[in-house]
Amino acid sequence: SQTIHQWPATLVQPVGSPLSLECTVEGTSNPNLYWYRQAAGRGLQLLFYSVGIGQISSEVPQNLSASRPQDRQFILSSKKLLLSDSGFYLCAWSPGRDYGYTFGSGTRLTVV
Amino acid sequence: GQQLNQSPQSMFIQEGEDVSMNCTSSSIFNTWLWYKQEPGEGPVLLIALYKAGELTSNGRLTAQFGITRKDSFLNISASIPSDVGIYFCAGQLQGGSEKLVFGKGTKLTVNP
Repeated sequence: SQTIHQWPATLVQPVGSPLSLECTVEGTSNPNLYWYRQAAGRGLQLLFYSVGIGQISSEVPQNLSASRPQDRQFILSSKKLLLSDSGFYLCAWSPGRDYGYTFGSGTRLTVV
Repeated sequence: GQQLNQSPQSMFIQEGEDVSMNCTSSSIFNTWLWYKQEPGEGPVLLIALYKAGELTSNGRLTAQFGITRKDSFLNISASIPSDVGIYFCAGQLQGGSEKLVFGKGTKLTVNP
């Protein structure tokens, strides 16, 4: 069966520090991968998605970037965090169009 | 961009009551999905709908894919305290990209 792993679960980082969040999927190949951000009690904002290795689509201009160095690995990064980068970050995967997403358990990022 | 209008934004009900929430759009969807998110967790898929008019149940949950393919509803019967969470609708646009469109969520509170 397919599983998605996202880590760390929580992270407290100072303003101006770098960020690297990792997401991996097991049990499938060539998944579509997604990064979302969620403000407290609010909706889901799509940040990046990828349909293949090295293929990244950005949805929102921001202080973040994403990379897909391997088929089942998706990384969310920042060179210098801002206070406004705080939030709940979710990784998700799907087999392709017209399929639902499976979400990871999320990373709670607090920038201080 | 395309939007899903999800309502109500929040609900406060007594245990044992039935719940109904819905999503509408001016666009046509190929797929409708309903997710539940509990605090501090990623959303979990509850029900997936793939055909116009389709009515699907999952325990106390029932969802329908509108006949016009522009709307969907989710009903929860005999609510219990563990039904608390945020419920999201999501859809795959006809002719759209790899991305799902998400509603802004319905926050459900169940009073024992």
